[in-house]
Amino acid sequence: AQSVTQLDSQVPVFEEAPVELRCNYSSSVSVYLFWYVQYPNQGLQLLLKYLSGSTLVESINGFEAEFNKSQTSFHLRKPSVHISDTAEYFCAVRPLSGNTPLVFGKGTRLSVIA
Amino acid sequence: ETGVTQSPTHLIKTRGQQVTLRCSSQSGHNTVSWYQQALGQGPQFIFQYYREEENGRGNFPPRFSGLQFPNYSSELNVNALELDDSALYLCASSQSRDRAYGYTFGSGTRLTVV
Repeated sequence: AQSVTQLDSQVPVFEEAPVELRCNYSSSVSVYLFWYVQYPNQGLQLLLKYLSGSTLVESINGFEAEFNKSQTSFHLRKPSVHISDTAEYFCAVRPLSGNTPLVFGKGTRLSVIA
Repeated sequence: ETGVTQSPTHLIKTRGQQVTLRCSSQSGHNTVSWYQQALGQGPQFIFQYYREEENGRGNFPPRFSGLQFPNYSSELNVNALELDDSALYLCASSQSRDRAYGYTFGSGTRLTVV
């Protein structure tokens, strides 16, 4: 079975400051790793994913995440946040094979303060 | 390319009633999954359908049931509604051959049980 722990339920940060949202996972098999974002009253949107290769992955809107196999972590970072980044962020994992679906963490609410 | 659409967007039901939620998958996707997202929580997997058959189920009672149709659209049925069933219900579609793809989510149906 897989599990995902997002270490911070809420992260307030000032506009243009850097931010890191932490994610640790547990799995007995290899997994794909995902970050999803949920804006108020909306569904989930894929932000970025790690499949294989380079451990640093980037999104089109300035977020990046680094896969650390030894620490089983997949932390999300952005060097300078905007008001529009205010949202709920979910880390998720999915095994490479089988029918097991996406398993989500409980989410981190990022609040960007002007 | 259309995304995942869900209907209705909001619904209020009385305890003990039955409800049906609908989902239209993204074009080209043959797998649909349903998730329950309680307030302040991450999405919890309910079940998954592939080629009209259930091929995965989370820790939800039998009063949660579903259907997938030949055009890959889907329904989630909940019988004997309880107050704790109040949540955002998310439908997600994917292509079973590509587990690295992740899921495409709809905007959800917010169900309130009173």
